[in-house]
Amino acid sequence: GAVVSQHPSRVICKSGTSVKIECRSLDFQATTMFWYRQFPKKSLMLMATSNEGSKATYEQGVEKDKFLINHASLTLSTLTVTSAHPEDSSFYICSARAPGTGNYGYTFGSGTRLTVV
Amino acid sequence: SQQGEEDPQALSIQEGENATMNCSYKTSINNLQWYRQNSGRGLVHLILIRSNEREKHSGRLRVTLDTSKKSSSLLITASRAADTASYFCATGGGSNYKLTFGKGTLLTVNP
Repeated sequence: GAVVSQHPSRVICKSGTSVKIECRSLDFQATTMFWYRQFPKKSLMLMATSNEGSKATYEQGVEKDKFLINHASLTLSTLTVTSAHPEDSSFYICSARAPGTGNYGYTFGSGTRLTVV
Repeated sequence: SQQGEEDPQALSIQEGENATMNCSYKTSINNLQWYRQNSGRGLVHLILIRSNEREKHSGRLRVTLDTSKKSSSLLITASRAADTASYFCATGGGSNYKLTFGKGTLLTVNP
């Protein structure tokens, strides 16, 4: 089945630094990837939709200059949290949709726990 | 915004019992999906039910959908300790294929 690899699984960074999270589709090409943020014991909040070869579409209230998304190839999307602050600490999850699968082909990464100290 | 609303928010049962979780949504849908999330992990797709279906089974899972009430239920029969996880419903169907997740039900199955 379709596999999405997300890396790193855990990262601790200092305030003011940037951290990059990678999301790779291992055995399929993903024209669209999605980035979510999840607070403890809460649901997933969609941050942005990442489209290969074009700019990401951000949800209302998500700072595009703070959460940089790049989808340079059909198998890789990256989320860079710039100038991280402690309030950016959260669980970030990506998902990928294989082309031609409509709403049926979503595969999720295993998530990245970001802690900003 | 989150469309799905699951209840209960938390459910604790004994191994062998059945667990029922409910989800309500507000707008029209093409399908509704249920996902499972183990603590600190990503989501695993469990089952999808289309808007023209009323019931679907997969192993120990049974999902119902009532579009007139805009609600769905997930039943896990003969629960096991390994079923302990959070369960989310998700709706989608827009042209951009975005999924909207509910708040989730934390299921604890005690051995």
